[in-house]
Amino acid sequence: KNQVEQSPQSLIILEGKNCTLQCNYTVSPFSNLRWYKQDTGRGPVSLTIMTFSENTKSNGRYTATLDADTKQSSLHITASQLSDSASYICVVSARLSNYQLIWGAGTKLIIKP
Amino acid sequence: DAGVIQSPRHEVTEMGQEVTLRCKPISGHDYLFWYRQTMMRGLELLIYFNNNVPIDDSGMPEDRFSAKMPNASFSTLKIQPSEPRDSAVYFCASKNSGGAADTQYFGPGTRLTVL
Repeated sequence: KNQVEQSPQSLIILEGKNCTLQCNYTVSPFSNLRWYKQDTGRGPVSLTIMTFSENTKSNGRYTATLDADTKQSSLHITASQLSDSASYICVVSARLSNYQLIWGAGTKLIIKP
Repeated sequence: DAGVIQSPRHEVTEMGQEVTLRCKPISGHDYLFWYRQTMMRGLELLIYFNNNVPIDDSGMPEDRFSAKMPNASFSTLKIQPSEPRDSAVYFCASKNSGGAADTQYFGPGTRLTVL
């Protein structure tokens, strides 16, 4: 069964600190993996997308990694800011269908001043 | 570009009433998606359209739910009759064709509360 699992479920860190969010998936055949950021009361916004051959991608202070062998991805946030408080959702696309996106439950990140 | 536009942003209705949610996709996008998000189940794809034609509606929970896309710039999701368990945030998203790597752009969502 195609699944995406994220950890931790929630995380609280102090402003300025770094953090890493995890995503494990069992989607096959794999097409790509995305990380979305969802602010409270807003729709998800894409942060990064990685295909099978990519193992790291950065977007400002956000760096995503992908290990296609172990089927794991991480999202690292450097020097966190209050505006980073949001839910971060890992989404994996299966190759059989362009639009079969398997969504993780998300990690709720809270940045405290 | 104004992005994906959804209306209303909030809807409170009583059980049994008809609810219509509206979406205007980004101009030029030929795919449109309707999602539902709850705390328990996260984001669920309900239905998606390509060039105004419904392609996959397997995520529509029941016959009470229906969706239409009469033209490239407008879509509706209707619930009739509504039930308390339909309470959720409903998102519309759109994208360009071109492959699996294309990004979906989400609207702000409609928060539906059925009393």
